[in-house]
Amino acid sequence: DAMVIQNPRYQVTQFGKPVTLSCSQTLNHNVMYWYQQKSSQAPKLLFHYYDKDFNNEADTPDNFQSRRPNTSFCFLDIRSPGLGDAAMYLCATSREGGQGPYEQYFGPGTRLTVT
Amino acid sequence: GESVGLHLPTLSVQEGDNSIINCAYSNSASDYFIWYKQESGKGPQFIIDIRSNMDKRQGQRVTVLLNKTVKHLSLQIAATQPGDSAVYFCAELTGANNLFFGTGTRLTVIP
Repeated sequence: DAMVIQNPRYQVTQFGKPVTLSCSQTLNHNVMYWYQQKSSQAPKLLFHYYDKDFNNEADTPDNFQSRRPNTSFCFLDIRSPGLGDAAMYLCATSREGGQGPYEQYFGPGTRLTVT
Repeated sequence: GESVGLHLPTLSVQEGDNSIINCAYSNSASDYFIWYKQESGKGPQFIIDIRSNMDKRQGQRVTVLLNKTVKHLSLQIAATQPGDSAVYFCAELTGANNLFFGTGTRLTVIP
């Protein structure tokens, strides 16, 4: 089945130790997104890629970076995680063009714990 | 600025009853809205969407109503089942690719 895959599902990192979260998709969608969701809150968009074009949200901290080496993969790098970065990180994809807009498809998320 | 808010943070319904989850939005220029269901420990799951040129759309057991005059969106779930227990988010497309989520309503179905 076509889907959005996130690895790992659970990640523990130490305060200040860089961490990378991974997302892959088999939907062949040209847009990929990263969201941060804290406990009992709504997902908050960090940034997205439209093909290779990177779009950062204005309030996304510089501590968060992203890479999209190809259509299928997208990575979220947290350069120096703080305790406040503990959250669920959600990857999503969507297609664009044609009769759009279209819904976003979400992966299962990676829950990040910072110790 | 844009905001999408929900009137009720929690909703409890008896199994078999109909559920109505409400959402208000503030950006009158928004032209696309989505309802997502999120179960514990999972990513949001698409339920139904509606474009601003419509005022009603039906899916399987779900109906979304859009009232652009008062900027209000609702999700109706018919014959609510225990598997419907989850947090429901309305989301508004505020730009070409910017999906802005509302606060969320936790629906609990009582057997």
